[in-house]
Amino acid sequence: DAGVIQSPRHEVTEMGQEVTLRCKPISGHDYLFWYRQTMMRGLELLIYFNNNVPIDDSGMPEDRFSAKMPNASFSTLKIQPSEPRDSAVYFCASSPGIRTNSPLHFGNGTRLTVT
Amino acid sequence: GNSVTQMEGPVTLSEEAFLTINCTYTATGYPSLFWYVQYPGEGLQLLLKATKADDKGSNKGFEATYRKETTSFHLEKGSVQVSDSAVYFCALREYTGNQFYFGTGTSLTVIP
Repeated sequence: DAGVIQSPRHEVTEMGQEVTLRCKPISGHDYLFWYRQTMMRGLELLIYFNNNVPIDDSGMPEDRFSAKMPNASFSTLKIQPSEPRDSAVYFCASSPGIRTNSPLHFGNGTRLTVT
Repeated sequence: GNSVTQMEGPVTLSEEAFLTINCTYTATGYPSLFWYVQYPGEGLQLLLKATKADDKGSNKGFEATYRKETTSFHLEKGSVQVSDSAVYFCALREYTGNQFYFGTGTSLTVIP
């Protein structure tokens, strides 16, 4: 089991540029979650998918953020245009379906720095 | 609604000291409870879990017991090591729910 794979591990970009973060969940997991972690706000849920369909995107900060899951093995989180306040660590996580008592499995995150 | 309240940090202990990190929860159903650990520069890793009342989860010398009567899931370790320095998160997931609810995290530093 390779675990949840995120890329890139680090991203440094200038304000106004488009940023795309990528995630490959664990095979067979029905749920995929995107989180953001900062010192000020801690761990925040941005959006989650079930069977590739977005279920709750109420945590997405604003229209500059968008997420897609074109198939069961790939998801992207895009920020366009990026701003310095978007600097954070972004985590992708996956889990089997409900009624399983299963935990959430996290990737190692993408550290985004917007200058 | 569902929520997790976790002991404020940071916590600093000497090596071989006893550790307790308090966690209490509010849930409308029958949750599973988890402790995650985050080492610097890494993602959250599952440390232990318990899926029903009175279950005890354990791993790497850490333990936590699911107490329904006090809605608590406190993390304990009898003798901490420097390598245990990390941030610890308590979390819950309802059996019929899609979401996970996390505490704010407790930073632990163990000094030699």
